[in-house]
Amino acid sequence: GDSVTQMEGPVTLSEEAFLTINCTYTATGYPSLFWYVQYPGEGLQLLLKATKADDKGSNKGFEATYRKETTSFHLEKGSVQVSDSAVYFCALGYNNNDMRFGAGTRLTVKP
Amino acid sequence: GAVVSQHPSWVICKSGTSVKIECRSLDFQATTMFWYRQFPKQSLMLMATSNEGSKATYEQGVEKDKFLINHASLTLSTLTVTSAHPEDSSFYICSAGRTGESNQPQHFGDGTRLSIL
Repeated sequence: GDSVTQMEGPVTLSEEAFLTINCTYTATGYPSLFWYVQYPGEGLQLLLKATKADDKGSNKGFEATYRKETTSFHLEKGSVQVSDSAVYFCALGYNNNDMRFGAGTRLTVKP
Repeated sequence: GAVVSQHPSWVICKSGTSVKIECRSLDFQATTMFWYRQFPKQSLMLMATSNEGSKATYEQGVEKDKFLINHASLTLSTLTVTSAHPEDSSFYICSAGRTGESNQPQHFGDGTRLSIL
């Protein structure tokens, strides 16, 4: 079945450092790919998405490109802030059906 | 934008109590809603798919008599944890997507933290 694999955390960075969180997927079809962010004690918020190969999703300085050839959707940000500290989930989904999530990567940014 | 409201946000109750969690889509209709469970420092695991006007579809290993789901309208799904025990303590999250929109992301509620004493 479909699945998502994320790099294990936790990830600890200094403010203004470059961030990469790796995500790869296996899929039987052509899903949309998503990154969600979860702050402590809260639900999930959509960070960005891409619906087809070569699409780039971007939001709040975060970017991820849907790479079909490498089945990847790595999350990047050029300069992280303390407020970016959260858990990040990579996910895939089809047509408003249930989603499959990666295990999550906890990011801590220190001042 | 689309909003999903989940209530309550935090429940603490005694073992043996039944707890109902509500999930509402506030400004759109949702034929299908999803219920997830999240253990500490782990990912979300799909428990069941809630279908308006019909029975929910449960994932393998999820007890349907333990986790009762009702989706009586296009804007409300409820999850009832019956005779809850400490092992049912977890973070429960619902999600919904706009009916008829494909390739659009699910919108998530803020979650319900359930603690059974």
